Amino acid sequence: EVQLVESGGDLVQPGGSLRLSCAASGFTFSSYVMSWVRQAPGKGLEWVSSISGRGGSTYYADSVKGRFTISRDNSRDTQYLQMNSLRVEDTAIYYCAKGDAYNSGFFVSWGQGTLVTVSS
Amino acid sequence: EIVMMQSPATLSVSPGERGILSCRASQSVSGNVAWYQQKPGQAPRLLIYDASTRAPGIPARFSGSGSGTEFTLTISSLQSEDFALYFCQQYNNWPETFGGGTKVEIK
Repeated sequence: EVQLVESGGDLVQPGGSLRLSCAASGFTFSSYVMSWVRQAPGKGLEWVSSISGRGGSTYYADSVKGRFTISRDNSRDTQYLQMNSLRVEDTAIYYCAKGDAYNSGFFVSWGQGTLVTVSS
Repeated sequence: EIVMMQSPATLSVSPGERGILSCRASQSVSGNVAWYQQKPGQAPRLLIYDASTRAPGIPARFSGSGSGTEFTLTISSLQSEDFALYFCQQYNNWPETFGGGTKVEIK
């Protein structure tokens, strides 16, 4: 059974930093594109970032480019999201999501999410 | 960026009735649309991909159709566990984008 468990969410001041983690199990982690998708309180879903199976290719939404960095450690079956220069508008639940076997672009499995609150 | 527009924002349906949710893309996305269900306090769950293919374990009462710019999710006979929020997503063009959601509530 696929499991994705996020951690690292917290209350942080504007301009601060945070690192999210997503521990995966139940599948061959290195074979899949992994992503982060966020949901602001009471709002819809927004794709944030994705990383290829071996970590050589990374992709970012314009809203976070230059501030967030996605990475993965395939030896630990874990992906990360380093979030710098945080803004109030980054406040959201951040979900870790697994792609399909063909990297089509939809999200087959999701974690339960971790809440990031950016506020002074 | 492709904008996905869902309608209606809220759909009020009685249990056992059919529910039809719509999703319109601002430009053609071919058949590259997925649908997700989200219940309060839970993560989204994949229902449909490639516009009409049910994900493993999804009941047959859920069906998807459409291509190009117009897509539909149909729930043939709403069960109590189906009252939730539904999102469509296009993955034909980067970046992948989601619709604003349709809330299906009990009438």
